[in-house]
Amino acid sequence: QVQLQESGPGLVKPSETLSLTCTVSYDSISSNYWSWIRQPPGKGLEYLGYIYYSGTTNYNPSLNNRITISVDTSKNQFSLKLSSVTAADTAVYYCARLVGSLVFGEAFDMWGQGTMVTVSS
Amino acid sequence: SSELTQDPAVSVALGQTVRITCQGDSLRNYYGSWYQQKPGQAPILVIYGKNNRPSGIPDRFSGSTSGTTASLTITGAQAEDEADYYCSSRDSSGNHLNWVFGGGTKLTVL
Repeated sequence: QVQLQESGPGLVKPSETLSLTCTVSYDSISSNYWSWIRQPPGKGLEYLGYIYYSGTTNYNPSLNNRITISVDTSKNQFSLKLSSVTAADTAVYYCARLVGSLVFGEAFDMWGQGTMVTVSS
Repeated sequence: SSELTQDPAVSVALGQTVRITCQGDSLRNYYGSWYQQKPGQAPILVIYGKNNRPSGIPDRFSGSTSGTTASLTITGAQAEDEADYYCSSRDSSGNHLNWVFGGGTKLTVL
């Protein structure tokens, strides 16, 4: 059973860069797509972006070019960087595996437990 | 970007059937998926594609789509089904590579 685990600082200062890593176990990162999703306290889910092992990425345009997702196949990890953070970026950040096809349907089938990141001075 | 609209809250009597809906233009082009989230936990995929359940999801959960509306049906709701439910699909606007989530529906089992 694939497992995903987020790690990184729980507190980031305003205007600085949020950095998180997702470690994938029991599945090769060189397959499927890998994504980041966040959830502000008491609110719904927001898709941030995804990466393929080759380095192909897609980002939510609402993040105004503040986001970078990268992959390290040697460590079976992928990472999120979100720059110029504000209090509005305070959320639980989840990494998730994106699987499927347009024919049969696509979905985020496996999720990490999530990590809370607070933006505050 | 496209939007997916869900009713904020729905309730169902124990053992009865409940339908949770998700409306959005993107559902005309792409299959939706449904996630269950209990307090303090990560979301869990319950339905994807035409009507596919991942391993371990009870068969009381089913899905369907008609036009721009996707539905999650729980037949014989159990107390443990009380949770927030989110729909998601590809965003049919722009480059079609983004994903969107509905605002979520809080299900109460009475």
